Amino acid sequence: EVRLVESGGGLVQPGGSLRLSCVASGFLFSSYTLHWVRQAPGKGLEYVSGINSDGANTSYAKSVKGRFSISRDNSKDMLSLQMGSLRAEDMAVYYCARAFYYDSTGYFYDTWGQGTLVTVSS
Amino acid sequence: DIQMTQSPSSLSASVGDRVTITCRASQSISNYLNWYQHKPGKAPRLLIFAASRLQSGVPSRFSGRGSGTDFTLTISSLQPEDFATFYCQQSYSTPLFGGGTKVEIK
Repeated sequence: EVRLVESGGGLVQPGGSLRLSCVASGFLFSSYTLHWVRQAPGKGLEYVSGINSDGANTSYAKSVKGRFSISRDNSKDMLSLQMGSLRAEDMAVYYCARAFYYDSTGYFYDTWGQGTLVTVSS
Repeated sequence: DIQMTQSPSSLSASVGDRVTITCRASQSISNYLNWYQHKPGKAPRLLIFAASRLQSGVPSRFSGRGSGTDFTLTISSLQPEDFATFYCQQSYSTPLFGGGTKVEIK
């Protein structure tokens, strides 16, 4: 079974840091681009960050650029998101998602984790 | 930057109704448009990719159309399990979701 399992969420004070992890199973992890997507309370889905299969290329939403860092360890089938300088507006459920490319440009998210909740509050 | 505008933001419908949701991009995204269903406490579920291609395992009552800037998701006969929030997502450039359409029971 193809699976993604997030962990690391919790309560953090504004300005604080948190590291999220996503462990994969059931597929060849090193072959896939992975993204983080979040959903703030009462809001829609928002792309956060992405990393290609070998980790050489990363991208970030403008809202988190310079504060968040995405990485992966293909030897451990693990994706990470290091979050710093956290703000109230970063409070959300964070999902890791596998990007499946069907051509050189087009992809879709075919596998998602169950999400991990990050609460930013003093 | 590309903007994605989804409408309506919510709708009320009955079981058996035909429902259509619209997603408009601020510039052409060819057919790089996906649709997801999201229920509270669950992971989003892919329904349609490349604007009109039905994901494996998704019921045929779901269909997608469009290219360029205007896209639609249609549910031909709404079922009880379909009440959820639906999102479009473009993969032409930096990933971006539409604002969502919440489909509620009338």
